[in-house]
This record gives sequence, structure tokens and C-alpha cells, in this order.
Amino acid sequence: DIQMTQSPSSLSASVGDRVTITCQASQDISNYLNWYQQKPGKAPKLLIYDASNLETGVPSRFSGSGSGTDFTFTISSLQPEDIATYYCQQYDNLPRLTFGGGTKVEIK
Amino acid sequence: EVQLVESGGGLVQPGRSLRLSCAASGFTFDDYAMHWVRQAPGKGLEWVSGISWNSGSIGYADSVKGRFTISRDNAKNSLYLQMNSLRAEDTALYYCAKDRGRFLEWLEYWGQGTLVTVSS
Repeated sequence: DIQMTQSPSSLSASVGDRVTITCQASQDISNYLNWYQQKPGKAPKLLIYDASNLETGVPSRFSGSGSGTDFTFTISSLQPEDIATYYCQQYDNLPRLTFGGGTKVEIK
Repeated sequence: EVQLVESGGGLVQPGRSLRLSCAASGFTFDDYAMHWVRQAPGKGLEWVSGISWNSGSIGYADSVKGRFTISRDNAKNSLYLQMNSLRAEDTALYYCAKDRGRFLEWLEYWGQGTLVTVSS
């Protein structure tokens, strides 16, 4: 099975800061990597699909990059409403999907 | 508007069974793959199972394989998860989610979840 390792598991940053989260796959998954945001008490929301494509309606301060085994999720300018836990998810190893462990983002 | 409404959760004793349902509306149900994802209290997301649009491709997480069975009724716009031999570690909020396409790729829309508690 493909393992997805996210880091860091949590971070604290100031409003306006650039925030970067990484996700590493245990084997090559091409660009079959998606990112989700989950705010406290809410269902997750898809932000980015296929590593770098922004879902419709998602603010442009969110972006993703990478391919193969190493992926990056970036918030270019952290806003108070971005407080959430972020998850990566692979779909290369069908019919199984795997989520990363999550990164909790807080405001400093 | 896409709506996914889960039901069937509750308190159940270890070793017993439970069947979750997800009622879908606002889209052509039989054109899309569907998934179950769970989240234990205070923990991260765990993909549980997925089923393609025509039930031709089905997958399970290792943690539930052999105990859980996913199914769908396209005539009723409904997704199901039959959970047998339940364990304490199956305690979680169970989400139903719609895929973006016919096969298992990504989770475009999510329900609000139904809580399953396994305890004696």
C-alpha cells in the first residue's frame, strides 16, 4: 500500500505569512494527489486536485505543486479563515485511496 | 445542489453489525463513484471504502476488509455500508462522499456524517 507522510503535523503562523505543507508518497504516484481543508466541526472540502489544479471557487492564495513522490501545498498569505486541518490524498493505488495524517494550521 | 445525507449511525456493542445509508440528491447518482470516509474522535481522515459508478470497481481499507461491505442502489440514489464484527476502533464519524467521476479519484462533495460508537 502507498503511505502518505505529511509534515509538519501542526504549525503556527501569523496572518499574512506564507505557509507551506509537504506530502511525501512512499512510491511514485505521478500527479494523482489532492488536497482538502477541514475546518473544526465541518466536513472536509476539496481545494486542489491532480496536485496543482485549483477547485472552482477556491481562493487563489491556495496552490499546490509536485509530482512523483514529493508534493507541496502553499497558502501564499495566511488569513484568519484559513484556520483548519489540511490533508493530502492519493489515488494512484486504485481501488484504494489514502489520506495523509493531516496538518493543523493555527494563527500565532 | 448536491446533497448527501447519512443515516444509520448509533451505539452498538462490539461484535455486532450496523448498516449505514447515504441518500444522494442534486446530481445524476449513477454517473459517479461514491466513498465512505471516517474520522475517529480527534483523529485524521481515513478512507474506508469506495465503489465505482456501476459497482464494477470496489475497494476497502485494510482495516475493514472482510468486515465491511459497500454497495449502492442506483435506482434509489443510495449508498450503503454494511459493517459487521464491529470493534471499538471503528468508533468514528462516517462521511459519505461523491467522487468527481465514475471511478475512484477524489472526493468532490461530502455529507455531514453519521456517528458510530462501538462500546459495551
